[in-house]
Formats: sequence, structure tokens, C-alpha cells
Amino acid sequence: GQNIDQPTEMTATEGAIVQINCTYQTSGFNGLFWYQQHAGEAPTFLSYNVLDGLEEKGRFSSFLSRSKGYSYLLLKELQMKDSASYLCAVRVGFSGGYNKLIFGAGTRLAVHP
Amino acid sequence: GAGVSQSPSNKVTEKGKDVELRCDPISGHTALYWYRQSLGQGLEFLIYFQGNSAPDKSGLPSDRFSAERTGGSVSTLTIQRTQQEDSAVYLCASSFVAAGGPKDTQYFGPGTRLTVL
Repeated sequence: GQNIDQPTEMTATEGAIVQINCTYQTSGFNGLFWYQQHAGEAPTFLSYNVLDGLEEKGRFSSFLSRSKGYSYLLLKELQMKDSASYLCAVRVGFSGGYNKLIFGAGTRLAVHP
Repeated sequence: GAGVSQSPSNKVTEKGKDVELRCDPISGHTALYWYRQSLGQGLEFLIYFQGNSAPDKSGLPSDRFSAERTGGSVSTLTIQRTQQEDSAVYLCASSFVAAGGPKDTQYFGPGTRLTVL
């Protein structure tokens, strides 16, 4: 089966750093995505990892360890606007292509002043 | 258009009625996906279209659900004889090419919020 786990909720303080973890057990792996979703809005792409290591993009970084089935999203210098759900998604293979995404349930992050 | 568009944004229907949800993908994107998101839940894959290939319908929850994509562009998701458990936000996404890699990023539309009374 396909299983992606991430914490349901997290809270953090404005200006701080927060790490959102994601573990996965999937039949096949061809990349891991992180999306941000504000309440009532569509998910928007944040980051993509396919090789082990850290990908840095401004205040956001994402890490992947394929051998451990583990990823994290690191948010630095938190701002109030970072309050949102963060979705971890694994791309798995299927006949006809390699673009099926399996999503975790998401982590709701609340940033407080 | 600049992004994926979906219509209607909200749909309220009575149990047992049929509904049609529409998705216009980003121009030039060859792949199109439908997902369902129930309140407080993650995204549930429903169906995937890529070019002229047969669609991957493995995520459709029942035979009441069907989807088509005409002319390789616009897609319609149809739910027949709606049930209350069908209430959710239905999200459509498109991507440039289904071959893996960063260009394969899925871009989401704003969704259609379906409420079945």
C-alpha cells in the first residue's frame, strides 16, 4: 500500500524556524514534492527533491533521504503569512507514465506573534 | 489563461442529482489530474489524463464517477446520483509533461466546492 505520514498540526512563533517531517512507504518512488495550501485556496508548489540531500530556496529548504523514506521541510524566519497547511507528496510510477502523486494528509502550521 | 481554472467555484446539489465539474488546464500542458479533498484531509487522486493515452482511472471511488477530456484540453468530471459523502472540494491540476523531473510539477486550480444536501 501507499502510506505517507506527517504531523497533523504544528505551532511556531514569528521569526523562528520550524521543521515539518514526512515519512513515506510507497510502491515506487520518483520524487517528493512539498506544497503549501492556505485555507480555501489551491495547493501551490514549494519544492521538489529526487536525490538525497538538501534543496534550498530562500526561506524554505527541503531535505530527502530515500534510504530512510524521510523528508522534511524547513521554514526559516517565519512570517504570519506562513500559516497554512503543508502537503508532502510522493510521485510513484504507474503504467503509462510516472506522474501519479500520493499526498499526505497535510500539516497545519499556525504561526503566532 | 495564466493558470488552471475550474467551474463552478461552488455547487450545492440535492442527493441523487447528477453534477458536472469543469477544468481548463494551463495552455500547452499535456497532463491533467483530478483530486478530491475532504474537510481536513489530504488530496485523494481520482483520475489522470495524458495526451491520447488511456486515462488512469484507478482512483475513481465508484462507477458513479466518470471523467472525460475533450480535444486534449478541457476536462469534465461527472458524478451521477450524488451522495452526501461526495461532498468535498474537487481539485484539478495540470502539468507540462508526464516524464518526471521538475518540469512535471502539477499546478492546481482553485477547486470546486461540492455540497450534497
